[in-house]
Amino acid sequence: SQQGEEDPQALSIQEGENATMNCSYKTSINNLQWYRQNSGRGLVHLILIRSNEREKHSGRLRVTLDTSKKSSSLLITASRAADTASYFCATERIFGNEKLTFGTGTRLTIIP
Amino acid sequence: DVKVTQSSRYLVKRTGEKVFLECVQDMDHENMFWYRQDPGLGLRLIYFSYDVKMKEKGDIPEGYSVSREKKERFSLILESASTNQTSMYLCASSTPLVAGTYNEQFFGPGTRLTVL
Repeated sequence: SQQGEEDPQALSIQEGENATMNCSYKTSINNLQWYRQNSGRGLVHLILIRSNEREKHSGRLRVTLDTSKKSSSLLITASRAADTASYFCATERIFGNEKLTFGTGTRLTIIP
Repeated sequence: DVKVTQSSRYLVKRTGEKVFLECVQDMDHENMFWYRQDPGLGLRLIYFSYDVKMKEKGDIPEGYSVSREKKERFSLILESASTNQTSMYLCASSTPLVAGTYNEQFFGPGTRLTVL
């Protein structure tokens, strides 16, 4: 079963709008990470949030974590065409031996 | 600039062939990982390695083996390729967790393998 599941599976918005993606997971974690994948390429790390943190910012990215609900959200503000990609959350479980478990991803399309 | 490279971007093989996928990282990372990515299933861990000559099974190791003879190189081997192993294969590396660090993974560009 998937440790992380993203919602929605696909999202299309106009350039300049904000995009929000959600991730739910099942077991207790050390940290949660978000990655981006451009079509047919490898994944690129975006941001990490530790289990004792509630919110984190990096440029136009804002990540929140609610460990009581086992959920996280990724907000991309003022979207650009270059943000078109798939976004994955990944969790490191407690006692997970540094392995990450990835979700199924959200496909984001920015319409110029 | 950190870099993970994979030997091929695209590969076509026939059923029953032995297939080698190579991954090399230049960051002196101890940890290396092999994933496969399929539509609707996300990334699934096949094998990983914490150090040279060390390997551990991931979630879907059946039909695969690995080799790590040097720190920078991690090979994935399909002993007898089958059509259900047609997939995108991604290699990644990371540093081990120590105080004050975290385990961001660095990915290669992927190898799209087709088994006919």
